[in-house]
Amino acid sequence: KNEVEQSPQNLTAQEGEFITINCSYSVGISALHWLQQHPGGGIVSLFMLSSGKKKHGRLIATINIQEKHSSLHITASHPRDSAVYICAVGPNYGGATNKLIFGTGTLLAVQP
Amino acid sequence: NAGVMQNPRHLVRRRGQEARLRCSPVKGHSHVYWYRQLPEEGLKFMVYLQKENIIDESGMPKERFSAEFPKEGPSILRIQQVVRGDSAAYFCASSPGTGTYGYTFGSGTRLTVV
Repeated sequence: KNEVEQSPQNLTAQEGEFITINCSYSVGISALHWLQQHPGGGIVSLFMLSSGKKKHGRLIATINIQEKHSSLHITASHPRDSAVYICAVGPNYGGATNKLIFGTGTLLAVQP
Repeated sequence: NAGVMQNPRHLVRRRGQEARLRCSPVKGHSHVYWYRQLPEEGLKFMVYLQKENIIDESGMPKERFSAEFPKEGPSILRIQQVVRGDSAAYFCASSPGTGTYGYTFGSGTRLTVV
C-alpha cells in the first residue's frame, strides 16, 4: 500500500463545475503539498499546508491532520485547469531528511 | 528572481554514454532535491543535498548514479553508462530550509536513451 493515496485517478468535468480531489496518507508529516503538472511540463507548487485551509484564486486546499486527509477544490473549473494534480507529503521521520513522498496524481480534464 | 533552472530540457543519449543533468537552485536556497518520474509512474525521491554535502541518497540507485552540489555552481546529477531504463523526467527542487519551508521545482530534464 502506498503511503500517499489519491482519488480519483482520472476526472473529467464540464467547464464551470466544482471539482474535488482527495489525498490520504499514512505517515506522520511536517507538511503536505499540492502540485500541478501539465503534460510534458514542469511542476508548479500550488499549496503547502500543515493545518487548516488555504485559498488562492479559484483553488482551495484543506487538511485534516487527525484524519490524515487533504482535499484540493477547484471552483468554476476552466479548460486551462486541465493537468495532473499531485499530492505530496513531507514525512516526519525525524533526522535531517526533507524528501517528499508523492501520490500517483489525478489527471483532470475540463471540457468546454 | 529566477526560479529553479534545469538544463538541458531534453537530452538524448545512446546506451553506454554518460548523462549530466544540471540544476541551479533559487538564489539563496541551499537545499537541493532530485526526483525521477518514470513513464506512467509517479515521482520518486532520489537524493537530497546541501552545499558540498549529500544528506540523504536513499533513493539513488547504488551503481552508475551520483550527485553533487559544489560550493560554487549548479548541482549535477550524473548517470554513467546509461541504459534504456534510465529514460525518464528528472526534476530538481530547492528550498531555503527543512520542515515547513516550501519547495520550488524546476521544469525538468527529459532524458531519452536510445
